[in-house]
Amino acid sequence: QSALSQPPSASGSPGQSVTISCTGTSSDVGGYNYVSWYQQHPGKAPKLMIYEVSKRPSGVPDRFSGSKSGNAASLTVSGLQAEDEADYHCSSYAGSNIVIFGGGTKLTVL
Amino acid sequence: EVQLVESGGGLVKPGGSLRLSCAGSGFSFSNAWMSWVRQAPGKGLEWVGRFKSKAAGGTTDYAAPVRGRFTISRDDSKDMVYLQMNGLKTEDTAVYYCTMGLCDSAGCHWDDAFDVWGQGTMVTVSS
Repeated sequence: QSALSQPPSASGSPGQSVTISCTGTSSDVGGYNYVSWYQQHPGKAPKLMIYEVSKRPSGVPDRFSGSKSGNAASLTVSGLQAEDEADYHCSSYAGSNIVIFGGGTKLTVL
Repeated sequence: EVQLVESGGGLVKPGGSLRLSCAGSGFSFSNAWMSWVRQAPGKGLEWVGRFKSKAAGGTTDYAAPVRGRFTISRDDSKDMVYLQMNGLKTEDTAVYYCTMGLCDSAGCHWDDAFDVWGQGTMVTVSS
């Protein structure tokens, strides 16, 4: 199983919206509605932001939203804030009891 | 408070072995599927493997790069999960996280939504 494909970087100004993509195949992203997104600040453990494509865990602001179309998933951060600057990782269930992650995207708030 | 705490990281030579430990607290450990995820310096996250609860069959699964070299075990009497790493390679250098899935009103998402993470422990494989 190959890693999911994410752009290495993304950026936006405070208040703007930014979308990060996560591309897989029909064997992972396209085959299951089990895509998750994680936020990771430097030196910290990842934090679950989105699961099952578009669900938010308790406590995650509704500025974060997820979607999927075909073999690609997306994370949108609306109303960008300085504290949103972090690395974002996507993951997907890939069948056969295997989970795969993307390479991560560094989000910069300009 | 639900918590995971890893230990056991360090410096090891290529070909060597190391055992990581993860202590769980604040939840029903025996019912949890426990996973390990690693992150090489400056890289993305990589799923390493998982040990299902005894009720779910108590089986393990591993990512291809570590299959046959790494073994996950657990001791539910001590609320501990372990990662035994043998035949270590330089590319195994990473921070290793112990993690488990989110439980919500629909059930527990053991394999698709890692909600609780330890602080991580660094493993460096170098001569």
